[in-house]
Amino acid sequence: EVQLVESGGGLVQPGGSLRLSCSASGFTFSNYWMTWVRQAPGKGLEWVANIKQDGSEKYYVDSVNGRFTISRDNAKNSLYLQMSSLRAEDTAVYYCVGGSGWISDHWGQGTLVTVSS
Amino acid sequence: DIVMTQSPDSLAVSLGERATINCKSSQSILSSSNNKNYLAWFQQKPGQPPKLLIYWASTRESGVPDRFSGSGSGTDFTLTISSLQPEDVAVYYCHHYYSAPLTFGGGTKVEIK
Repeated sequence: EVQLVESGGGLVQPGGSLRLSCSASGFTFSNYWMTWVRQAPGKGLEWVANIKQDGSEKYYVDSVNGRFTISRDNAKNSLYLQMSSLRAEDTAVYYCVGGSGWISDHWGQGTLVTVSS
Repeated sequence: DIVMTQSPDSLAVSLGERATINCKSSQSILSSSNNKNYLAWFQQKPGQPPKLLIYWASTRESGVPDRFSGSGSGTDFTLTISSLQPEDVAVYYCHHYYSAPLTFGGGTKVEIK
């Protein structure tokens, strides 16, 4: 069974940093593009970033480019999102997503990030 | 960036009746190299992550009931629930994966009339 388990969310002050992690199991992690998608409270879905199987390609939505960094460790079956210069508008549930190509097949349960003073 | 526009924002349908959700992309998401539309549909129930229903605009994900179908090409797409069931109450999102940044539609809330 495919499992994606996010961790690392919490309350952080504006301007602060946070690192999200996603632990994958039940599939060959190194064969999948991996993605972060977020959802602000009561709002729709926003694609944040994705990373190629070997980490050689990364893409970001403009609103986080330069502040967030996506990375992966295939030996640990793990995906990461390093977030810095956090803003109130970054408050959201962050989902770890795995896909065949860029199709978002498998989703974690999400981890809540709250940016507030 | 490709903008995905869904309509309506919400709809109420009687049990057993048809529900139709529309999605329009700001530019074509049909690839000339493989003749595929890079369009997916997701269902999200309260407190749950989204679930993939349809990809390549019309291919049903494994395990998805056949009352769900996707159609359309180029810039105009439709998700149809042929006979609405109580468990179909949810928010539905269209999503393109044609080019970065990938984007989602604003969502359509489906309720029982």
